[in-house]
Amino acid sequence: KNEVEQSPQNLTAQEGEFITINCSYSVGISALHWLQQHPGGGIVSLFMLSSGKKKHGRLIATINIQEKHSSLHITASHPRDSAVYICAVRYYGNKLVFGAGTILRVKS
Amino acid sequence: DAGVIQSPRHEVTEMGQEVTLRCKPISGHDYLFWYRQTMMRGLELLIYFNNNVPIDDSGMPEDRFSAKMPNASFSTLKIQPSEPRDSAVYFCASSLAGLDQPQHFGDGTRLSIL
Repeated sequence: KNEVEQSPQNLTAQEGEFITINCSYSVGISALHWLQQHPGGGIVSLFMLSSGKKKHGRLIATINIQEKHSSLHITASHPRDSAVYICAVRYYGNKLVFGAGTILRVKS
Repeated sequence: DAGVIQSPRHEVTEMGQEVTLRCKPISGHDYLFWYRQTMMRGLELLIYFNNNVPIDDSGMPEDRFSAKMPNASFSTLKIQPSEPRDSAVYFCASSLAGLDQPQHFGDGTRLSIL
């Protein structure tokens, strides 16, 4: 069964802390997406990865193909980073499977 | 760039009624996706189109659900007849090149079936 596991489910951090959200999957994939869903409900695509590492501002996403694992890091976290972060993987073929999401709250 | 535009933003209707959700993708994007999000099941891909042609509808839950894309700038997702368990937020997204490219999401339609 193709599954995507995210951890932690919930995360509370103080402003300025370094944050890591993890995503694990079960079999070979062609791409992995990180999405951000704000409290208002809108969804933004943060990264699409098939290997290595990508950086955008304070956000860094890495993927380890051998370990079947990806991490999303937020440096110098800020209350505006509070959102749900969702990992999605594209398994070979047309299957796109989503993780349950990580609810992040950054306190000032 | 106007982004992906969905309508309506909210829809409340009674069980058994037909519901039509609409989506206008970003101009020039060849792929259009319909998603459903519920508390129980999270985000699910229902169907996606490439150049107006349905590519994979394996996520469509039942025959009550249908989707069309009559042209490059418009798509509909229809539920007939609607049931309370169809209550969810439905998102439309578009991308330049398929499932391996970043997608741009609309604001979603919050559907409540009474």
